[in-house]
Amino acid sequence: NAGVTQTPKFQVLKTGQSMTLQCAQDMNHNSMYWYRQDPGMGLRLIYYSASEGTTDKGEVPNGYNVSRLNKREFSLRLESAAPSQTSVYFCASSERQRYEQYFGPGTRLTVT
Amino acid sequence: RKEVEQDPGPFNVPEGATVAFNCTYSNSASQSFFWYRQDCRKEPKLLMSVYSSGNEDGRFTAQLNRASQYISLLIRDSKLSDSATYLCVVTLNTGNQFYFGTGTSLTVIP
Repeated sequence: NAGVTQTPKFQVLKTGQSMTLQCAQDMNHNSMYWYRQDPGMGLRLIYYSASEGTTDKGEVPNGYNVSRLNKREFSLRLESAAPSQTSVYFCASSERQRYEQYFGPGTRLTVT
Repeated sequence: RKEVEQDPGPFNVPEGATVAFNCTYSNSASQSFFWYRQDCRKEPKLLMSVYSSGNEDGRFTAQLNRASQYISLLIRDSKLSDSATYLCVVTLNTGNQFYFGTGTSLTVIP
């Protein structure tokens, strides 16, 4: 039972490049989340998905898009990366209406 | 005004000590509360949920004070392995309103 997995673990992009961060969970959870963590800021919610085919904006959605491909997978896309998107990105999942979240190991993204 | 505020510390305590962290939240409509633990360069891991009546899990006790809008975490008999950053989390029980504190750093010293 792997829990929540994320790929890649590390990525360096140049400004303007695009990329997709992948997340998958094997806990049969309905809800999935994308966060970013920056020094001194705490984790901030980017997007949320309550179920396959539904997504909602979180606190900091600008510059990102998401896809809930199926119950297991939730991807985060940066269409045109900016240095301000340098961060650690965490994916998480939870059972519906139980808000205890389980996190993946994170992706460390640097945009130069 | 931040939704959730924590004292960043650091807290440096000797093994066996008791240490307490507080976390205040600004939205009185907040519904669910949690403490997470995060080790350096790792993901947050759920430590415990915080219930209105208070709850205990071994050496850890969590309390909620709705009137004063704060939650607390008490760690008794600190171990070296308790060294980590402790994050408080508050949610309005809507899927897109989770608020994390910036964390309190704890180092337990031999």
